[in-house]
Amino acid sequence: DAKTTQPNSMESNEEEPVHLPCNHSTISGTDYIHWYRQLPSQGPEYVIHGLTSNVNNRMASLAIAEDRKSSTLILHRATLRDAAVYYCILKNGRGYSTLTFGKGTMLLVSP
Amino acid sequence: DADVTQTPRNRITKTGKRIMLECSQTKGHDRMYWYRQDPGLGLRLIYYSFDVKDINKGEISDGYSVSRQAQAKFSLSLESAIPNQTALYFCATSLRGLNEQFFGPGTRLTVL
Repeated sequence: DAKTTQPNSMESNEEEPVHLPCNHSTISGTDYIHWYRQLPSQGPEYVIHGLTSNVNNRMASLAIAEDRKSSTLILHRATLRDAAVYYCILKNGRGYSTLTFGKGTMLLVSP
Repeated sequence: DADVTQTPRNRITKTGKRIMLECSQTKGHDRMYWYRQDPGLGLRLIYYSFDVKDINKGEISDGYSVSRQAQAKFSLSLESAIPNQTALYFCATSLRGLNEQFFGPGTRLTVL
């Protein structure tokens, strides 16, 4: 499976935008980019995913580079509840593929 | 009510004991997964099942076995627990054709 590289940690202030980067230079044409987050003492939760085009949902936006070798998860206004570990994961578009988690980025949000 | 439940939520056991962790879901999903998480690390896949008659080994299946008793139930067993199996265990579900996995609250297992 293609691997992703994320910073170990990032800090943000409440109500400011947050841009979480992810590098995936060996991504294949059929790999989707998924983001999950894990709040303290909880299981991971799905955030967003995309293939080539930028995506928006109620939680976040996903900006995908034109060459697909990197992507950025955007939280438009960070809240204290957004403090979590964010995982960027490549998942093949084949129906029987699974998720492979790395260490993710720990996001710290200050009041 | 939680859609994906795990029992027990916490368990302390001794080396050599047989342990079963259970996962149940009310989401109607066909696919179920077991992961373990060690401190400071991401989740690693132990076993997964794409339907009741399908069982597959994940990245770290040695020392574990599973049983898919029904579409809604997926159990993880440690036949003879050892201390390095001390970890946080998560069950997850997904539906064929959809991309999202839904995770349970986790079981904290300590093997002394």
